[in-house]
Amino acid sequence: EVQLVESGGGLVQPGGSLRLSCAASGFTFRNYWMHWVRQAPGKGLVWVSRINHDGSTTTYADSVKGRFNISRDNAKNTLYLQMNSLKDEDTAVYYCARSASFSFHHWGQGTLVIVSS
Amino acid sequence: QSGLTQPPSASGSPGQSVTISCTGTNSDVGGYTYVSWYQQYPGKVPKLIIYEVDKRPSGVPDRFSGSKSGNTASLTVSGLQAEDEADYYCSSFTDNNFLVFGGGTRVTVL
Repeated sequence: EVQLVESGGGLVQPGGSLRLSCAASGFTFRNYWMHWVRQAPGKGLVWVSRINHDGSTTTYADSVKGRFNISRDNAKNTLYLQMNSLKDEDTAVYYCARSASFSFHHWGQGTLVIVSS
Repeated sequence: QSGLTQPPSASGSPGQSVTISCTGTNSDVGGYTYVSWYQQYPGKVPKLIIYEVDKRPSGVPDRFSGSKSGNTASLTVSGLQAEDEADYYCSSFTDNNFLVFGGGTRVTVL
């Protein structure tokens, strides 16, 4: 069974940093593109970033480009999202997702990030 | 990165059909067959119900169907059931190698 378990969320002040992790199991992690998607409270889904199988290709939404960094450790079956210079508008539940054909077939349960002073 | 356009709400009586539209541009919905639909209950994780415009993952009832014409994709829920009351989001691959979601549609079963 495919499992994705996010961790690392919490309360952080504006301008601060946080690193999210997503532990994968139940599939061959290194074979899949992985993504981060976020959802602000009461709002819709927003795609954040994606990374290819070996980590050599990454893409970011304009709203986080230059502040967030996606990476992966295939030996540890883990996806990461390093978030720097956090803003109030980054407050959201962050989901990691496994994709195929640019669709998110599997999602984690999400981790909540709150940016507030 | 502009989001895809969905109606904020849709409704139907049990047994009826409801169709949700998802309008983009030639650079996303109109340019690719990589349109997906997700169902999300309040406080729950999104679930993929349609991918590549009209394909259903295993386990998704055939009451859910997808289609596309030009820059607009559509999700139809036939034989509406109480359990179909949820939020539905479309997404598409884009020219910029991004992915983009619609704003979501709340489906109410009357």
